[in-house]
Amino acid sequence: QSALTQPASVSGSPGQSITISCTGTSSDVGGYNYVSWYQQHPGKVPKLMIYEVTNRPSGVSNRFSGSKSGNTASLTVSGLQAEDEADYYCSSYTRSATLVFGGGTKLTVL
Amino acid sequence: EVRLVESGGGLVQPGRSLRISCAASGFTFSSNWMHWVRQAPGKGLVWVSRINEDGSSISYADSVKGRFTISRDNAKTTLYLQMNSLRAEDTAVYYCVKEAVAVHDALDIWGQGTMVTVSS
Repeated sequence: QSALTQPASVSGSPGQSITISCTGTSSDVGGYNYVSWYQQHPGKVPKLMIYEVTNRPSGVSNRFSGSKSGNTASLTVSGLQAEDEADYYCSSYTRSATLVFGGGTKLTVL
Repeated sequence: EVRLVESGGGLVQPGRSLRISCAASGFTFSSNWMHWVRQAPGKGLVWVSRINEDGSSISYADSVKGRFTISRDNAKTTLYLQMNSLRAEDTAVYYCVKEAVAVHDALDIWGQGTMVTVSS
């Protein structure tokens, strides 16, 4: 159950778009369309932003979008805003019927 | 209002046991898969365990398998995590998390967490 691989940090200026990658294997990300993304502000609990690769829960801004190609899933944030600065985590269902998270990515809005 | 309230955390010595609980309200508890997720201070999220609606399907992370036991009491709308043979590396905030209905592994409601510190 190795953690999914995410970049430690990404950054962008207000109004720009950024993409966070989440790389796994054919036993998790590549094998199932059960990738989710979570946003966590400092001192707060995580918030579900994307589920089943591309779906947004009610209330989540359409500036957040998800995709997947092979063993790599991606979260794109368009029209960056100061409030988007947070840690982001991906997760995936695995062949072992478990769940695995990525190591997390710190998004900085310059 | 949907609420998950964890309790039972604290300081425990290595090798000892602790049971944490999660009281659920505001939704039909017996219709949801539930999870425990932990986060060590300054570190990332780590999945610990999941249990299905009636407790007949359970999974654990390798790091806790054989030491931790997840369970639920639907009549009391409460989720539990029994933690035995605790180690220093189990020190973390433990979150009780609800999975969205009919959506695979989408964790849509998180409790505020309970801190477990394993230290002598």
